[in-house]
Amino acid sequence: GDSVTQMEGPVTLSEEAFLTINCTYTATGYPSLFWYVQYPGEGLQLLLKATKADDKGSNKGFEATYRKETTSFHLEKGSVQVSDSAVYFCALSGATNKLIFGTGTLLAVQP
Amino acid sequence: GAGVSQTPSNKVTEKGKYVELRCDPISGHTALYWYRQSLGQGPEFLIYFQGTGAADDSGLPNDRFFAVRPEGSVSTLKIQRTERGDSAVYLCASSWTSGRLDEQFFGPGTRLTVL
Repeated sequence: GDSVTQMEGPVTLSEEAFLTINCTYTATGYPSLFWYVQYPGEGLQLLLKATKADDKGSNKGFEATYRKETTSFHLEKGSVQVSDSAVYFCALSGATNKLIFGTGTLLAVQP
Repeated sequence: GAGVSQTPSNKVTEKGKYVELRCDPISGHTALYWYRQSLGQGPEFLIYFQGTGAADDSGLPNDRFFAVRPEGSVSTLKIQRTERGDSAVYLCASSWTSGRLDEQFFGPGTRLTVL
């Protein structure tokens, strides 16, 4: 069945460092891909999405490109801030609209 | 406007008891989803409703779990004969339609602890 694999955390970075969180997926057909973020004490929020191959989703300085050839959707940000500290989830929706999530990656940004 | 709300925010119960978890979706959203998030894991799909009907309940782990949405708005997730393994955060989400490109908006969750 469809699945998502993302890099394990925690990821600890200094402020202004470059961030990459890897995500790969397995799916039949052409899934839509998402990154969700969960800030401390808050609910899940959609960060960005891409719906077809080579699409780039972007929001709040974060970017991810839908790579069909490598079945990947890695999350990147050029310069992280302390306020980016959160848990990041990669997810897909395949033939149906239910979301399938990865296990989450905790990001801790230190000043 | 108001987001998705869930009550209670925390529920502690004893093994074998019955619990109900409530979800109020965003007004006008026709699709409603339930997910379960165990500690250190990503959310796992349980069931989704399009209107009043359960369109996909393939994620319900067993027949102790049941959900309803009688008027196409509020939904209740019901768990009978709770077990310690049911302890998790139960998340509700809603979207305008059940189209897979429609953003799902998540509630804050109900943390269920079964002692």
